[in-house]
Amino acid sequence: GQSLEQPSEVTAVEGAIVQINCTYQTSGFYGLSWYQQHDGGAPTFLSYNALDGLEETGRFSSFLSRSDSYGYLLLQELQMKDSASYFCAVRNNAGKSTFGDGTTLTVKP
Amino acid sequence: EAQVTQNPRYLITVTGKKLTVTCSQNMNHEYMSWYRQDPGLGLRQIYYSMNVEVTDKGDVPEGYKVSRKEKRNFPLILESPSPNQTSLYFCASRPGESPYEQYFGPGTRLTVT
Repeated sequence: GQSLEQPSEVTAVEGAIVQINCTYQTSGFYGLSWYQQHDGGAPTFLSYNALDGLEETGRFSSFLSRSDSYGYLLLQELQMKDSASYFCAVRNNAGKSTFGDGTTLTVKP
Repeated sequence: EAQVTQNPRYLITVTGKKLTVTCSQNMNHEYMSWYRQDPGLGLRQIYYSMNVEVTDKGDVPEGYKVSRKEKRNFPLILESPSPNQTSLYFCASRPGESPYEQYFGPGTRLTVT
């Protein structure tokens, strides 16, 4: 089966940089994605990596190392509105998706 | 407006009473999926569909059924709901060629007493 591990909580101050790590186990790896969710609302897509390296989208970047089965989400210039839960998710080549349990990010003034 | 809609948004029901949660998308997406989310946990995939008439089990399919007769609709059926199916349910869709970006519906909060 597929499984992922990510920290349960992270706290940072406004304007800082925070990194949320994710390690995964899967067979037939297809891609690793990141989603943001505010207070039980609909998750929204942030970033995706299928190949090794860094993908940058504005203040958010995501990194993947397939050999290490590891990725991270980097959030820069943190804002209060970034306080939310962040999920990594792995997809295999059969279309099956598995999400991590989420990391709750708290941004303090 | 491109969106995924779910109905109902909230439902309280009793054990054993069959129910259906509808999901519809207007983006012509091939792929659709159902997830459940419980407190402190991530989204767990129940079923997914790569296209019309093609469905596959996710990680937690027991107690659920789905069908994909039309591209836009992917209903979730609970034939005999039980209290352990009390959860927040999300439907999602994405284009077949998309690497991974899924669009999620607003969620359905189900309580089974």
